[in-house]
Amino acid sequence: GIQVEQSPPDLILQEGANSTLRCNFSDSVNNLQWFHQNPWGQLINLFYIPSGTKQNGRLSATTVATERYSLLYISSSQTTDSGVYFCAVEPYILTGGGNKLTFGTGTQLKVEL
Amino acid sequence: DSGVTQTPKHLITATGQRVTLRCSPRSGDLSVYWYQQSLDQGLQFLIQYYNGEERAKGNILERFSAQQFPDLHSELNLSSLELGDSALYFCASSVAGYSRAGELFFGEGSRLTVL
Repeated sequence: GIQVEQSPPDLILQEGANSTLRCNFSDSVNNLQWFHQNPWGQLINLFYIPSGTKQNGRLSATTVATERYSLLYISSSQTTDSGVYFCAVEPYILTGGGNKLTFGTGTQLKVEL
Repeated sequence: DSGVTQTPKHLITATGQRVTLRCSPRSGDLSVYWYQQSLDQGLQFLIQYYNGEERAKGNILERFSAQQFPDLHSELNLSSLELGDSALYFCASSVAGYSRAGELFFGEGSRLTVL
């Protein structure tokens, strides 16, 4: 199946700093989503971005499908940004049944005062 | 609020017991996905239903089963529970799902602790 690698695995930032999280995937994708899992365990949709660039407030994401990677940018980080960031992909190839999202192992982010 | 509702939020039970987790998808979504998140395995896909039909199966144990009802809510049944089944179980829904997954929206999860 498709492989999804995220880097870095852990990141500690001072409040106000910027960061870039990376997601590499092994095959062509039809769908790519970024999620934030907050300290209470909730998985929150950040972006649905199979290709191109999107922005939402201090967050933006870019997916370069032809090169099989996606980047999540966090600017002016806040303590509430702490948690785990997951990239999840749906392979382009149809399986004959339903497709599913395969998750990366995540980037654990801690933002300190 | 994603619009996906999961109950119960927390569940503590003993080894050998059986539990049922419930999921109501977002209004209009036909597809339901179940994922398990444990500390050592990350987020693992279990099973998917589309409009009552099983469409995809992942690493779901034989002790686990699921179904989607005519009103589109879904239940995940876990039986003969073991300590290793302790995990956060997520349900997600999508308006797509027959072939393509589409954009998934996740519920808040059901945290199962097996003692």
